[in-house]
Parts: sequence; C-alpha cells; structure tokens
Amino acid sequence: DAMVIQNPRYQVTQFGKPVTLSCSQTLNHNVMYWYQQKSSQAPKLLFHYYDKDFNNEADTPDNFQSRRPNTSFCFLDIRSPGLGDAAMYLCATSRDLTSGSSYEQYFGPGTRLTVT
Amino acid sequence: GNSVTQMEGPVTLSEEAFLTINCTYTATGYPSLFWYVQYPGEGLQLLLKATKADDKGSNKGFEATYRKETTSFHLEKGSVQVSDSAVYFCALTGNQGGKLIFGQGTELSVKP
Repeated sequence: DAMVIQNPRYQVTQFGKPVTLSCSQTLNHNVMYWYQQKSSQAPKLLFHYYDKDFNNEADTPDNFQSRRPNTSFCFLDIRSPGLGDAAMYLCATSRDLTSGSSYEQYFGPGTRLTVT
Repeated sequence: GNSVTQMEGPVTLSEEAFLTINCTYTATGYPSLFWYVQYPGEGLQLLLKATKADDKGSNKGFEATYRKETTSFHLEKGSVQVSDSAVYFCALTGNQGGKLIFGQGTELSVKP
C-alpha cells in the first residue's frame, strides 16, 4: 500500500543536541509538510516543500530546518532542541496545491520527540 | 482569514449512542471541507471530505454535509462504538488551495 512512513516513532534527545526526524512516502506526491502537534491540539504547520521549493511559515523558529533530497524523502532538523520542542511531529503529503481544487493530505504516524 | 470552530470536548457517550460534533467555518469563496480522526498515539487519518455545497461525505458510518447557508460541516454517526474513541478534527482548505486550516479538535470517549 502507498503510504507515508516516519522514523523513528519515538525519539529522545538531550537539551541542545541536534536531532533529525525522517519522513518518506511512496505516493509520489509533489508536496510534503511538517507539522508540530502538542497535547492533542491542532497540528501547527512548520513548513512545506512543493517539489524542491521550500516554504517556511512566518512563525516557525529558525531552530527548525528541513531538507528534501528527492521526491520520496523529507527530513526535519532541530538544531538545538529546547524543552518546549517536545511534541509529536507529523509529516504529511499531498498531490498538489492547485488553486480551486480540493487536495487531501495524507499523514504519517508521527514521531514523538522527548527532550531531556 | 479562514478559520474553523468545533464544539468543545471531551464528549463522552455510551456505546450505540448517536454522535454529533459541530463544526462551523469562516472562509471566502468555496472551501473544501474535511474531517480527520486521530487515534491515541497515531497520526491523522482522513475520515471524509466534501468539496462543494450540499455534498455529503461519508465513511465508516460517519457522515457530514457541506452546508453553505449555515457555513457548517457537522459530523454525525448513528451508533458509536468503543473503537471510535479518538480526537476528531474539522479542517478546510480555501478556494485558493494552500494551507489546511484545522479546528481545535474534539475528543470523543465512548464507554461500553
């Protein structure tokens, strides 16, 4: 089955120690997203890639970076994690961002990040 | 700007009870509307969607109708099960495409 895969499912890192979360997809979708979700709140969009074009949300801290080396993979890098960065990180994909059309986002299972 | 408002949770029901989770939206033009479900410790799954006025989305016994006149997309199920316990998010994308706008989520707990 085509899907969105996130690894690892659980990640523990130390305060200030860089960490990378991974997302891959077999849907061949153009768009990949990273969300941060705390305590069953609504997911908060951090940024997205449309193909190789990176789009950062205005309120995403500089501490968060992303890489998309190819269509299938996208990484979230947290350069210096703080205690406030402990959250569930969700990756999602969609076929396109075409104006005027609906698009569905397909989510991965998430990576729960703990910062000690 | 576009926004989504859901009824506050948690909602606690007995098995086989009728479920309604209210969702209203503010958007220009004709947004697409979605319900996502998140089971404990999991990512979000698309439950159903509707892309134009009067469309009814349905899946797994859940239904929601896109009501342009009341700017609503209420989620209903006739008979809930314990396995339906989850957090439900109403969401929209604007007619320009782009960002998915979520409501705050409604936690549903179904007791045997």
